[in-house]
Amino acid sequence: GAGVSQTPSNKVTEKGKYVELRCDPISGHTALYWYRQSLGQGPEFLIYFQGTGAADDSGLPNDRFFAVRPEGSVSTLKIQRTERGDSAVYLCASSLIASGGQETQYFGPGTRLLVL
Amino acid sequence: AQRVTQPEKLLSVFKGAPVELKCNYSYSGSPELFWYVQYSRQRLQLLLRHISRESIKGFTADLNKGETSFHLKKPFAQEEDSAMYYCALRDMEYGNKLVFGAGTILRVKS
Repeated sequence: GAGVSQTPSNKVTEKGKYVELRCDPISGHTALYWYRQSLGQGPEFLIYFQGTGAADDSGLPNDRFFAVRPEGSVSTLKIQRTERGDSAVYLCASSLIASGGQETQYFGPGTRLLVL
Repeated sequence: AQRVTQPEKLLSVFKGAPVELKCNYSYSGSPELFWYVQYSRQRLQLLLRHISRESIKGFTADLNKGETSFHLKKPFAQEEDSAMYYCALRDMEYGNKLVFGAGTILRVKS
């Protein structure tokens, strides 16, 4: 079946602008994660949704970052007043927690954000 | 704080040579450890998890709680193993987020 998809694949914006990044998880997956990957680093956790609610938003760097998942499926990561330091690849992952608590997170291709 | 350390940014080996990608972690509870791989122009994907204790594509990894390590090993490297490898820890105390290391590029030369 279709994997996690993310749009756009690339986004170039100017400092101070607002951007929205979209994630379509695998159908039926209740958990959805956002990570950010800066050059030369591993992915860093931003926020985790279980259904419609944000179960853990401890990774959001500041109040310019916000994410929603209103119907428990598609999620949008919103960044206000973008700064050059926000430039990174934004990854989305979804999962279905199996019996016994095992979970596999399936990653999307990422959105590469460049803030000029 | 939870942390995953991969000390090597790049590991270059010849085809047929053994491979060991190092991973050390710090975690206060009982960790769940993973290896993820990203091949060129592909998305990040799970390679193996310590709970399964299985061999995937000839790779194995054993969790050593005494040394807080989860090194990835393969006895004979193949050119198609060339990729970026990330070690990750699942933080079960605070949701289910993954904490990743910085990654190691494995380059297998012919």
